[in-house]
Amino acid sequence: EVQLLESGGGLVQPGGSLRLSCAASGFTFSTYAMSWVRQAPGKGLEWVSGISSSGGTTYYADSVKGRFTMSRDNSKKTLYLQMNSLRAEDTAIYYCAKTAVHYDSVWGSYRFKWFDPWGQGTLVTVSS
Amino acid sequence: DIQMTQSPSSLSASVGDRVTITCQASQDINYYLNWYQQKPGKAPKLLIFDASNLETGVPSRFSGSGSGTDFTFTISSLQPEDIATYYCQQYNNLPPGGLTFGGGTKVEI
Repeated sequence: EVQLLESGGGLVQPGGSLRLSCAASGFTFSTYAMSWVRQAPGKGLEWVSGISSSGGTTYYADSVKGRFTMSRDNSKKTLYLQMNSLRAEDTAIYYCAKTAVHYDSVWGSYRFKWFDPWGQGTLVTVSS
Repeated sequence: DIQMTQSPSSLSASVGDRVTITCQASQDINYYLNWYQQKPGKAPKLLIFDASNLETGVPSRFSGSGSGTDFTFTISSLQPEDIATYYCQQYNNLPPGGLTFGGGTKVEI
């Protein structure tokens, strides 16, 4: 059974930093792309970032580009999200998700397709 | 970014009713559209991928259709366990910096 377990959430002041982790089990982690998706309290879903299976390629939403860094350690089967310069609008539940991808050779880019399954999420609260 | 307009934002129906949710893209996204179910306090779950393909293990009362800009998600006979919020999600963008979700439809009985 595929399992994804996020950790590292908590309360942080505006401008602060936090690192989220996502421990994976039940599948060959090193062969799958992964993503982070967040959900502000009572709001909808927002894709945050994605990473290729090797970790060599990362993508970010404009809202977090330059502030967040996604990485992975395939030997530890763990995904990370380093979040710097946090803002109140970053307050959300952060989910990691196994991601179906297709490499588009014409565009020279990965096409991230869908998220399945998702972890249970970890809450990040940015407040003074 | 491609905008996804989902409607209605909420609906109330009876057990056994047919429920339909629509999702409209701001530009042609081919068939690059997925549907998720999120029950209260839980993570989202993939139900439909590529507009009309049912994920393994998902009951056949769920279905999806459409292509281009207009898509439909249907529950053929609403069950009590279907109470949830449903989201569409497009993946037309390359590179994938603009993956976007619809605003969600809350389904109540």
